[in-house]
Amino acid sequence: QKEVEQNSGPLSVPEGAIASLNCTYSDRGSQSFFWYRQYSGKSPELIMFIYSNGDKEDGRFTAQLNKASQYVSLLIRDSQPSDSATYLCAVNRPTGGGNKLTFGTGTQLKVEL
Amino acid sequence: DGGITQSPKYLFRKEGQNVTLSCEQNLNHDAMYWYRQDPGQGLRLIYYSQIVNDFQKGDIAEGYSVSREKKESFPLTVTSAQKNPTAFYLCASSIVRSISYNEQFFGPGTRLTVL
Repeated sequence: QKEVEQNSGPLSVPEGAIASLNCTYSDRGSQSFFWYRQYSGKSPELIMFIYSNGDKEDGRFTAQLNKASQYVSLLIRDSQPSDSATYLCAVNRPTGGGNKLTFGTGTQLKVEL
Repeated sequence: DGGITQSPKYLFRKEGQNVTLSCEQNLNHDAMYWYRQDPGQGLRLIYYSQIVNDFQKGDIAEGYSVSREKKESFPLTVTSAQKNPTAFYLCASSIVRSISYNEQFFGPGTRLTVL
């Protein structure tokens, strides 16, 4: 089982719809969770992070965390063509040597006109 | 203008050569990281450093070396021992606030190609 799993997609949604991106993780000791957006050929950009169970909203983005189910999701409301990118889920795993992030392989999102 | 810079943007290496990738940050972040990304794959951690003059191996450190002589700089050397070095290399940095929180910010990346 991979430490962080995401459906590779592509996930296609029409403009204006809600895009739902999902991520599961295996380490129950994980304490913080991050969503990065990566455009083709570019570096990842941090868009959301969440530490506590429940929802966290920032503009059109909502991150949802359920530690009991080891599940984190990202909702994008009113999807725009500019949201078309790969979305990477990352999970923090504290270790004796410091903090490390484990990344999923990403979900490709396509927002269609 | 705060941020993370990486140079060069593109790098071509002949087999058997060592090359060094530069990473500089002026965010006053304590921790710095190097990742490698291959097509269709997630980021894999090569090395990381929480403080100056100290660094730890990540998941794929073989064939790589680093140094952390200054807080602002964390260069990565790709040695000839790295058998498949063609990849997109990403440097990141973060504030070390606690054991739980680790918001990392990325530089623009260096694309390395072995000829």
